[in-house]
This record gives sequence, structure tokens and C-alpha cells, in this order.
Amino acid sequence: DTAVSQTPKYLVTQMGNDKSIKCEQNLGHDTMYWYKQDSKKFLKIMFSYNNKELIINETVPNRFSPKSPDKAHLNLHINSLELGDSAVYFCASSTGGQTNEKLFFGSGTQLSVL
Amino acid sequence: QQQVKQSPQSLIVQKGGIPIINCAYENTAFDYFPWYQQFPGKGPALLIAIRPDVSEKKEGRFTISFNKSAKQFSLHIMDSQPGDSATYFCAACWGSSYKLIFGSGTRLLVRP
Repeated sequence: DTAVSQTPKYLVTQMGNDKSIKCEQNLGHDTMYWYKQDSKKFLKIMFSYNNKELIINETVPNRFSPKSPDKAHLNLHINSLELGDSAVYFCASSTGGQTNEKLFFGSGTQLSVL
Repeated sequence: QQQVKQSPQSLIVQKGGIPIINCAYENTAFDYFPWYQQFPGKGPALLIAIRPDVSEKKEGRFTISFNKSAKQFSLHIMDSQPGDSATYFCAACWGSSYKLIFGSGTRLLVRP
């Protein structure tokens, strides 16, 4: 069983479109994250949810909206896609609290905006 | 002050060599320093981690050296193998901040 799974793995779309990426974890973790990895491999946190509550919202454009229907799911919706949004988006989860530092990552969604 | 600076950007060693990857930080509030390993097409995975109360931690062929006064830490891979070829990220965080700050990554290639 995959611990953190995200879909789709590849997403190719036109500028201006709206798209969503879904993430699910079966580890029973309380905290979930979205990270963005750019073409230079730099990893930067975007959002974090703990028990469905938003706890980290980095300086991300309002076009990005995370949604956590329950603590096992964290989806990312992106409106009006731009060329600069092309990147690999990783979902991750952790137990939270004192052991929140160990992140379990999904395999990533490679987004290409044309 | 929240940055973690990592070097080198890329590294090539022969099988059996000992690649060393270095990281430096400014924020003295950081109290947890993990290393993540990422293979192409996969997400990063935790490799080894250290807290500032020890100067070294070893797990198998992987060793972290930590210098609290210099605010630096490094990863050593003993007897490196071609299967170790991957991108390595150092990271840091503090308390239960929920925010892991990653270095810029080092692409390691171990030649057979």
C-alpha cells in the first residue's frame, strides 16, 4: 500500500486553465503539506494542515487554494494557471507534534503549463 | 535567517569514495537537522537526522557531523555505491513549527 499517494502523476495544461491535484495518506497522520519543487530542485513549503486546519500558508498566490475534507486528504486547486506554475508538486504528511519533522512524501505531480 | 545553505550543487565520486555534503544555517532556534534522499521521479525520503545535543550520528554508511558553534552540519557517505546516486537535501526546523526548511540540494553521482 502506498503511504502518501497523489494524483495525477503528470498534468499538462494550457495557461489560464484551472486544475486540481489530489492527495491521500493512509498513515493516520494528523498533518499534511504541499511542497513545490522547481526546475532547480529547490523544495519550498506552500501549505500545511493539521487536523483539517490550515496552519502554514506561505507567500503563495491566491490562485492556489488547498482544501482538506478530512485529515487523510489534502487537495490543491490552482486557478488561472501561469507558465511559472510549472513545477513538481509534492504532498507530504507527518505525525505532527514533537515528531512532526519526519515527512513522508508522495511521488509528486509534474505540472507543465504550456 | 530561515535559510539553509547547501554545497556543493553537484558531486561526482568513484565507487568506494566518501562524498561529503555541507550545510550551514543562521537561525539558532533550529533544533532538528534531517537529511533527505531523492531518486528521480520519487519524493524525498528521510535518510538520517540529528539534534544539536550530539556532534555525530551514524546509521549504516551514512554519518552526520554537527558543529553547533559553527552552525554547520554535513553528510558523509562511506564506501559509496552507484545506488547512492541521488539528490540529497539537508533541512532544518525548530520545535513543532511544522515547517521544514530545505537546502538547495546536491546531485550525487557515484561512478562504478
